[in-house]
Amino acid sequence: DTGVSQDPRHKITKRGQNVTFRCDPISEHNRLYWYRQTLGQGPEFLTYFQNEAQLEKSRLLSDRFSAERPKGSFSTLEIQRTEQGDSAMYLCASSSAGTDTQYFGPGTRLTVL
Amino acid sequence: AQSVTQLDSHVSVSEGTPVLLRCNYSSSYSPSLFWYVQHPNKGLQLLLKYTSAATLVKGINGFEAEFKKSETSFHLTKPSAHMSDAAEYFCVVLLRDSSYKLIFGSGTRLLVRP
Repeated sequence: DTGVSQDPRHKITKRGQNVTFRCDPISEHNRLYWYRQTLGQGPEFLTYFQNEAQLEKSRLLSDRFSAERPKGSFSTLEIQRTEQGDSAMYLCASSSAGTDTQYFGPGTRLTVL
Repeated sequence: AQSVTQLDSHVSVSEGTPVLLRCNYSSSYSPSLFWYVQHPNKGLQLLLKYTSAATLVKGINGFEAEFKKSETSFHLTKPSAHMSDAAEYFCVVLLRDSSYKLIFGSGTRLLVRP
């Protein structure tokens, strides 16, 4: 069990650029979650997958955001035309279906200049 | 709707003294509750969870929490603080819809004075 990994750990970009983050869940976990954490706040749910199907998206996820999990393993989160308000920590978590414990990765810290 | 409220944004204790981090929850049914800890530049780590078994839950690193339905509380305690306990702590409730997503409180930053 190598845990949940995320790449990159840090990303600095200019406003208007596109960015993509990757999450590799624990290998036997079929549920994968994305959360966003802004400074001084708790994480907020963005979206989740069960296997390759994206089953729910938060209202926080504007149409500039897209997430995929093409083979039910790793997932990517892309932000198009980044804005300064997108600056945050993006967290990925995974769990087994029917269980309540989610295991988190170290996060990707995005800074939009 | 499920939610959690962490009553203190910052708590400061001296090393070796007890820790109390307060959390109240709101839930229309028996909740699943968690405490997670976040050290600087590290991911969220599960400290403990309550899922309707024993009301007193023991976690890692000497932490424990007591579920009190009558008070809708799930406070986190530790008898003796250690310098390494300094971190951000989140009280979390599980949303029991098809997603099983987590709803986080706003966090409590624990400072431990030498």
